[in-house]
Amino acid sequence: KQEVTQIPAALSVPEGENLVLNCSFTDSAIYNLQWFRQDPGKGLTSLLLIQSSQREQTSGRLNASLDKSSGRSTLYIAASQPGDSATYLCAVNRGGSNYKLTFGKGTLLTVNP
Amino acid sequence: DTGVSQDPRHKITKRGQNVTFRCDPISEHNRLYWYRQTLGQGPEFLTYFQNEAQLEKSRLLSDRFSAERPKGSFSTLEIQRTEQGDSAMYLCASSTPWVLASGRYANEQFFGPGTRLTVL
Repeated sequence: KQEVTQIPAALSVPEGENLVLNCSFTDSAIYNLQWFRQDPGKGLTSLLLIQSSQREQTSGRLNASLDKSSGRSTLYIAASQPGDSATYLCAVNRGGSNYKLTFGKGTLLTVNP
Repeated sequence: DTGVSQDPRHKITKRGQNVTFRCDPISEHNRLYWYRQTLGQGPEFLTYFQNEAQLEKSRLLSDRFSAERPKGSFSTLEIQRTEQGDSAMYLCASSTPWVLASGRYANEQFFGPGTRLTVL
């Protein structure tokens, strides 16, 4: 059974700092991995998707990396802003017959002005 | 691309009542998923449709839960005889196996705003 762990559970940083969020998964046989952002009481916004054959993806100030063999992904946020404050969720997609996502519990990020 | 929509956004009900939620996926997407999220947890998979066929159901989906996707368009999730433990955010997502003109990835899941259920 796939298990996804995110560390740290919560992170508080001053505005402008670069930061890294970590995600690990137990089964390396994945199809892709998605990073999401969730604001309080809201749905999920897809930030980045990394295919299993890729090593990294970039979107603006965000960079996600994937090391499938070690079961790890990181989300790097450059020059953090108060508007980045949210919960960040990592999810792995096993592919196969249904492509369901298995999520971690998330990292609650607070960026202080 | 108007995004995934869900209705209602909030539902408060008394224990024992039946509730029904609706999800309208992105129009080009043939795959539709339901997830449930409780406070402090990541979403958990409930069920999956490809077009109108329900292809997988999680063990989380007890006999009181039923989902449909008639004609492969919108989907409904019904909970009968609600219990306090059903209180959660119910999230719908959709995806397509093809790369769209927008350039987004195949099989990327897009989520709706969710339906927050409170069972009193």
